[in-house]
Amino acid sequence: QSALTQPRSVSGSLGQSVTISCTGTSSDIGGYKYVSWYQQHPGKAPKLIIYDVSKWPSGVPDRFSGSKSGNTASLTISGLQAEDEADYYCCSYAGSYTVVFGGGTKLTVL
Amino acid sequence: EVQLVESGGNLVQPGGSLRLSCSASGFTFSDYAIHWVRQAPGKGLEHVSAISSNGGSAYYADSVKGRFTISRDNSKNTLYLQMSSLRAEDTAVYYCVKVGGWYFPYWGQGTLVIVSS
Repeated sequence: QSALTQPRSVSGSLGQSVTISCTGTSSDIGGYKYVSWYQQHPGKAPKLIIYDVSKWPSGVPDRFSGSKSGNTASLTISGLQAEDEADYYCCSYAGSYTVVFGGGTKLTVL
Repeated sequence: EVQLVESGGNLVQPGGSLRLSCSASGFTFSDYAIHWVRQAPGKGLEHVSAISSNGGSAYYADSVKGRFTISRDNSKNTLYLQMSSLRAEDTAVYYCVKVGGWYFPYWGQGTLVIVSS
């Protein structure tokens, strides 16, 4: 199972919006409505921020939003804040009890 | 409160074996599949293994198939990962993760495995 494709890095200024893409195939992102996104700060465990493409776990601000079109999922962070600077990973169900992660995107807040 | 506490990580020589444990609390352990996800130093997340709620089904990534065995003891609320024939590329933080649906809302703090001579 190949990893999903994410940009290595993105950046945005405080208060602006950024979008992180995550490209897979019809066997993962395109085939299911089970895309999730995780935020990871250095030295910490990943934190779930979006699940089932566009749903928010309790406590996650709606500045984070998710979407999917075909084999590509996207995470948009609006109103960038300094604490949003972190690594972001997408993940998709890929059938047969498997999931596949993206390679990760480092977000820099300018 | 859901808690997952991994243990067993250590420095091991190539070709060696190690058993990781994950002690769970705060939920009905026997109702949920549990997964292992690892992260090599400075690298991304990799799904390693998963086991169904009753232990009857297991999944392994190709990179560990035949070398790792996942198991669980629902009477002890504990998940295990038996790792053998360890390689340098198995060096990583290993996270125990509880599923929601096909997503991971709960992660342990991780346990570090270093494979090196």
